[in-house]
Amino acid sequence: DTGVSQNPRHKITKRGQNVTFRCDPISEHNRLYWYRQTLGQGPEFLTYFQNEAQLEKSRLLSDRFSAERPKGSFSTLEIQRTEQGDSAMYLCASSLRTSNEQFFGPGTRLTVL
Amino acid sequence: SQQGEEDPQALSIQEGENATMNCSYKTSINNLQWYRQNSGRGLVHLILIRSNEREKHSGRLRVTLDTSKKSSSLLITASRAADTASYFCAWPPEGGGSNYKLTFGKGTLLTVNP
Repeated sequence: DTGVSQNPRHKITKRGQNVTFRCDPISEHNRLYWYRQTLGQGPEFLTYFQNEAQLEKSRLLSDRFSAERPKGSFSTLEIQRTEQGDSAMYLCASSLRTSNEQFFGPGTRLTVL
Repeated sequence: SQQGEEDPQALSIQEGENATMNCSYKTSINNLQWYRQNSGRGLVHLILIRSNEREKHSGRLRVTLDTSKKSSSLLITASRAADTASYFCAWPPEGGGSNYKLTFGKGTLLTVNP
């Protein structure tokens, strides 16, 4: 499968714990995006990488959130001291620099108890 | 919120009927895209229409764009049960340039009954 993959698919954690999600983009894509989607809403942009550089972060990305993309390949999104409001689907997408089309992974559904 | 509006929020039709979904956005855009999301899954890109285009077709999909009204519509003809999904419109930041992030509408949940 050469699409975008995300792991884990589901994560249940207790409030206050840290969680980390991983995204593997399509190999030749140099752009990588993270979005968050809550029930009944469209995805909301969190952050974006071009190669290994994080070029923009949304105001939604509080200081408890950190994202990395070492070597411009896979990316991780870490949430520290999780809160119940962090419960959502976290979507990763990738694209070529020259393309408008983004390819989405299946998402990681986070539930904070 | 930067999200636009989509209507209807939910639409239920019979197989074979046409489905029309509308999207309104708030900024100036150079393109607008439509995505489909099956229940609990990631999004799939359906079609992109540029700001200088008024209508575009792809298979059973027809998209229109009215930049003066800041609105777009997606028509699915001869619907199938497999078309059951949520449909989202999305657009890049105002000012054009590289399309490095998207703002999504709230989506329309389409149910096609066999």
